[in-house]
Amino acid sequence: SQQGEEDPQALSIQEGENATMNCSYKTSINNLQWYRQNSGRGLVHLILIRSNEREKHSGRLRVTLDTSKKSSSLLITASRAADTASYFCATDKFQGAQKLVFGQGTRLTINP
Amino acid sequence: DGGITQSPKYLFRKEGQNVTLSCEQNLNHDAMYWYRQDPGQGLRLIYYSQIVNDFQKGDIAEGYSVSREKKESFPLTVTSAQKNPTAFYLCASSISMGGYGYTFGSGTRLTVV
Repeated sequence: SQQGEEDPQALSIQEGENATMNCSYKTSINNLQWYRQNSGRGLVHLILIRSNEREKHSGRLRVTLDTSKKSSSLLITASRAADTASYFCATDKFQGAQKLVFGQGTRLTINP
Repeated sequence: DGGITQSPKYLFRKEGQNVTLSCEQNLNHDAMYWYRQDPGQGLRLIYYSQIVNDFQKGDIAEGYSVSREKKESFPLTVTSAQKNPTAFYLCASSISMGGYGYTFGSGTRLTVV
């Protein structure tokens, strides 16, 4: 069962530009997480934002959460070629076993 | 260094054969998970374990089995009942369930030949 849906499915930008990816979800959550996956590799945890938080920063990453719209965004500033990867949002439901459900991801390509 | 080790990296299975994927962590995490990823798709949960000697079915458990006899280990068996097993399998762990980020292994790519 898909909980989070990322938009766009694919994004291609020039190095140095900012990249914005969005995630929408359906049910109330405890927290929302973003992960990065390089081709053929495991996922790497980027950031966790709790339902009572609205914005969080980590280096060049900025995540926002709007629980009223059931949506989140991930902004990568000053993109680099090494940022080329797929990015996934994941949510856990407010009630029940708090296991993560992942969206289908946004494939980000940074062109030199 | 702490982390999760999955083995093998590549695995080939013949029709009707059971295969077991290994997942070992030295992070002292209580919770462990198995996900399946198909090309261009997100991750789907197969099984999860909140604590040693306990595990629960995820969204696509049919044709798979697991055990959690040790805190460090959570092997996944892909049985012959799984009709479409070709996929990328990812193991993950977290301190506990709920409110923590997951640490992932590097994955096992299973192909049916």
